[in-house]
Order: sequence, then C-alpha cells, then structure tokens
Amino acid sequence: GDSVTQMEGPVTLSEEAFLTINCTYTATGYPSLFWYVQYPGEGLQLLLKATKADDKGSNKGFEATYRKETTSFHLEKGSVQVSDSAVYFCALNGGKLIFGQGTELSVKP
Amino acid sequence: KAGVTQTPRYLIKTRGQQVTLSCSPISGHRSVSWYQQTPGQGLQFLFEYFSETQRNKGNFPGRFSGRQFSNSRSEMNVSTLELGDSALYLCASSLQTGVFENSPLHFGNGTRLTVT
Repeated sequence: GDSVTQMEGPVTLSEEAFLTINCTYTATGYPSLFWYVQYPGEGLQLLLKATKADDKGSNKGFEATYRKETTSFHLEKGSVQVSDSAVYFCALNGGKLIFGQGTELSVKP
Repeated sequence: KAGVTQTPRYLIKTRGQQVTLSCSPISGHRSVSWYQQTPGQGLQFLFEYFSETQRNKGNFPGRFSGRQFSNSRSEMNVSTLELGDSALYLCASSLQTGVFENSPLHFGNGTRLTVT
C-alpha cells in the first residue's frame, strides 16, 4: 500500500542554519504531496503542497520539490528561526491523507 | 470563521471503559476524518465520514467506531478501552472527500486520551 517515510528526528539546529528534512514515498501512480506542521499543543496545519512531478511548493520560506524519479519530496529552508521549532509531517493523497512518522525540529538561538 | 473544535481536550479513563470524543468541523465542511497520534506509530488514519456516510476506514479493530450527524458534526467511540489506546486523537475537516489539493485538511487541537 501507499506509504511515506521521513528522516528520523529530533533535528536540532542553530538559528539561521540550513534545514533539510528528507521524505520519500511509495505509491501507485503520482499522488499529490504535502507538508504539514504541528506546533506544540496544536493540531496539524498545511505548510505547502505539490500536485504533480517537478512542481515546487513553497510557503513561509520553506520549499519542497516533487521528484518523481527519486519518489521524494524533501523539505528545505535556507535560514531557520526559533519559531520554526515544531514537528513536520510529509503526506501523500491516497484517497485519504497518509502521513509519515513526523520529524521534530528544534531551533536554538 | 471558527476552526475545527474537539471536545473534551483531555480525558482519563480506566481499562475496559468506553469513551466518546466529539468533533465540530469548520462551517460548510462536509468531510470529517479521524487520526490517532502516538509517539511510536505516528499518525494513523482511523476513518472518514462524508455526508453522514463512512467513506474510508483504516486498520483499527471494531472497538473503534464513528458516526457523522446531519450538521456534519462527528463523534468517535472507543469501547473496552486498552492501555494502548492512550493517544492524541485528531479530527480534521475538509470541503470534499478524497480531494485535498484545493481543499486541505483542517485539524483540530485534538483530544488527549489517557487510559489507566
């Protein structure tokens, strides 16, 4: 069945460091891909999305490119802030949203 | 516009008891999905309701059930609680079923269930 695999956390970075969170997927066909973010004590919220191969989703300085050849959708940000500390989830649309395990990001001042 | 509202926020139950969790979706949203979140298993899909009909179901035992009312509000019920049912239960709503590209899932803040 469809599945999503994310790099394990926690990831700890200093402010202004470069962020990459790896995400790969297994699916039939070419599903839409998403990144959701969960701040402490809250539910998940959509961060960005890509609906077809080579699409780049972007929001709040975060970017991810849909790579069909490597079945990946890695999340990147050039300069993280303390306020980016959260859990990040990669997901695909398999008729229902299927999420990865989540990667906790902690950004230190 | 009010967001997705889940009640109660916290719940403590004893093994063997049953529990009912409630979810009020965003006004106009007809699809409600439920997820279980645990440190070990991550986010696991429980089921989805659309227009009072169950559209999708995850791999959970029959002790987990749900329903949706005509006003799109949804409840999930867990009977004969086990210690392993301790988790954060998240409800999410969207305009449509199965189409998230232009109608993303909006999540509530969850109900934290502890089974002792």
